Amino acid sequence: DAGVIQSPRHEVTEMGQEVTLRCKPISGHNSLFWYRQTMMRGLELLIYFNNNVPIDDSGMPEDRFSAKMPNASFSTLKIQPSEPRDSAVYFCASSPGVWETQYFGPGTRLLVL
Amino acid sequence: GESVGLHLPTLSVQEGDNSIINCAYSNSASDYFIWYKQESGKGPQFIIDIRSNMDKRQGQRVTVLLNKTVKHLSLQIAATQPGDSAVYFCAEVLGNTPLVFGKGTRLSVIA
Repeated sequence: DAGVIQSPRHEVTEMGQEVTLRCKPISGHNSLFWYRQTMMRGLELLIYFNNNVPIDDSGMPEDRFSAKMPNASFSTLKIQPSEPRDSAVYFCASSPGVWETQYFGPGTRLLVL
Repeated sequence: GESVGLHLPTLSVQEGDNSIINCAYSNSASDYFIWYKQESGKGPQFIIDIRSNMDKRQGQRVTVLLNKTVKHLSLQIAATQPGDSAVYFCAEVLGNTPLVFGKGTRLSVIA
């Protein structure tokens, strides 16, 4: 079975540009999570969805960040405009339910110059 | 200015020895615990889990021990191999809330 799929795997962009990260969760999973990982702050939960509905976005750092889940098999995390401090690895994870084991994708390594 | 990274505890173990990675969790009411392994350049990977009604669970070469009295979780890896080198995270679940991850411990296996 395919695990969580993320694209792109690597993204290099210039400050001020829009960045869109994509995630396809494991089929049948009802919950989807977006995380950011940096050396400074470790693994941070940004937002999570249950049944395509955003439940908690308190981890989203600023209004420049937005996330959508238009259907059960696709989610996006958008940063507009991007800044150098957004450079990090962004992970998407999915689980059968909010409180259950999460399965992580390979991550998108973002570098904002 | 100087950047200060997140300081991770590091455990160095000789290949073939057993490893014990410890985790102090935060909420005495947490009822589900998971250990994840994160290799360099990859996402965290599920290793083993345990419910709060258990105090020990075994997998292949790994054992998780739960001590609810002192809110302590440990992961034991038998006959540690170079492929076990990674950062290990414990995570706890309370009720209907998502996982809360610990800071992680880096395991370095010396060949």
